[in-house]
Amino acid sequence: DIQLTQSPSLLSASVGDRVTITCRASQGISSYLAWYQQKPGKAPKLLIYTASTLQSGLPSRFSGSGSGTEFTLTISSLQPEDFATYYCQQVNSFPFTFGPGTKVDIK
Amino acid sequence: QVQLVESGGGVVQPGGSLRLTCTPSGFTFSRYGMHWVRQAPGKGLEWVAAIWFDGRDEYYSDSVKGRFTISRDNSKNTLYLQMNSLRAEDTAVYYCARDSGYSSSSGAEFDCWGQGTLVSVSS
Repeated sequence: DIQLTQSPSLLSASVGDRVTITCRASQGISSYLAWYQQKPGKAPKLLIYTASTLQSGLPSRFSGSGSGTEFTLTISSLQPEDFATYYCQQVNSFPFTFGPGTKVDIK
Repeated sequence: QVQLVESGGGVVQPGGSLRLTCTPSGFTFSRYGMHWVRQAPGKGLEWVAAIWFDGRDEYYSDSVKGRFTISRDNSKNTLYLQMNSLRAEDTAVYYCARDSGYSSSSGAEFDCWGQGTLVSVSS
C-alpha cells in the first residue's frame, strides 16, 4: 500500500500569510494526488486534483504542485475561511490512502 | 444540485451488523463510481471501499476486507455498505463520496461528499 506523510501536522498562521503544506508518498504516484479541505463537523471538500488542477469555482489563492513522490499545497494569502484541516490523497492505486492531515489554525 | 445523503448509522454491539445507505440526487448515479470513507472521532480520513459505476468491480481496505460489502442498486439509485462483525475500532462517521473520474476512469478523487452518518460500536 502507498503511504502518505504530511508536514507540518500543525501550522499556525495569520490572515494574509502564504502557507505551504507538503505531502510525500512512499512510492511514485505520478500526478495522481488530490487535496481536500475539512472544517469541523463538515465533510471534506475537494480543492486540487491531478496534483495541480484547481477544482472549479474555488479561489485561485489555492494551488498545488509536484509529481512522483513530493507534492505541495500552497495558499497564497490565507483568508479567515481557510482555517481548517487539509488532507492529501493518492488515487494512483487501490487502496486509496489519505495523508494524516495538516491543521491550519490562527496564530 | 448534486447531493449525497447517508443513513443507517447508529449504536451497535461488537460483533453486530449494520447497513448504511447513501441516496444520491442531482446527477446520473449509474454513471459514477462511488466510495465509502470513514473518520474516527478526532482522527483523519480513512478510505473504506469503492465500487465501479456498473457494480462490476469492488475494492476494500485491508481493515474491512471480509467484513464489509459495498454494493449498489442503480435501478433504485442507492449505494450500500453492509458492515458485519463490527469492532470498536469501526466507530466513525461514515461518508459516501462520488468518484469524479477527473484523473482516471479507474478510480479518481472524490468531488462530492455526503454529510456523514455516525456508527458507534459499543457494548
